[in-house]
Amino acid sequence: DIVMTQSPDSLAVSLGERAIINCKSSQSILYSSNNNNYLAWYQQKPGQPPKLLIYWASTRGSGVPDRFSGSGSGTDFTLTISSLQSEDVAVYYCQQYYSPPYAFGQGTKLEIK
Amino acid sequence: EVQLVQSGAEVKKPGESLKISCKASGYIFTSYWIAWVRQMPGKRLEYIGLINPGDSDTRYNPSFQGQVTVSADKSITTAYLQLSSLKASDTAMYYCARYIGGGGPALGYWGQGTLVTVSS
Repeated sequence: DIVMTQSPDSLAVSLGERAIINCKSSQSILYSSNNNNYLAWYQQKPGQPPKLLIYWASTRGSGVPDRFSGSGSGTDFTLTISSLQSEDVAVYYCQQYYSPPYAFGQGTKLEIK
Repeated sequence: EVQLVQSGAEVKKPGESLKISCKASGYIFTSYWIAWVRQMPGKRLEYIGLINPGDSDTRYNPSFQGQVTVSADKSITTAYLQLSSLKASDTAMYYCARYIGGGGPALGYWGQGTLVTVSS
């Protein structure tokens, strides 16, 4: 099974500053035949279900603000929030959907400094 | 508007069984896979299994195989997760979610969650 590991486990960033969350897969999740990375990022606020932010590693979901961006390929990926807003306080998860079971990372808790 | 509405919170005793429902609306039910995801208190999301409501093709995370059954009734556009022989460790929030469409198996739409508490 593919294991997803995020870093850091928690992060405190000042409002307006950049937040960077990393995600590493235990094996490549790049499908060579279509050059797509099978990775998604989700945001989960307290008491709410997760919300899809990014899929195919870098495609923003519908209605997701452009301050959220995803990058990376193969086994190393990054979620960047370019200018942190108060409403971005949440836990962020990466997920691979290359090979079942489609595992999630352990989550990164993002707070305001 | 795509909506997934799950059944309400449950309190069960160890050894009992439970069936959670996920009522889908706003799209063609048989066109998208539905997944079930578990979240134990304070823990990461865990993929339980998948169903294609069109042909009832079902896939399970081996970690959950034998303990859960995923099903769907396309006549009422509802997916189900059945948990059997419940243990205290099954206490968790359970979510249904739908593939985004065009995004592979990324989960673009989620139910509100069903909290299951198992306690004697």
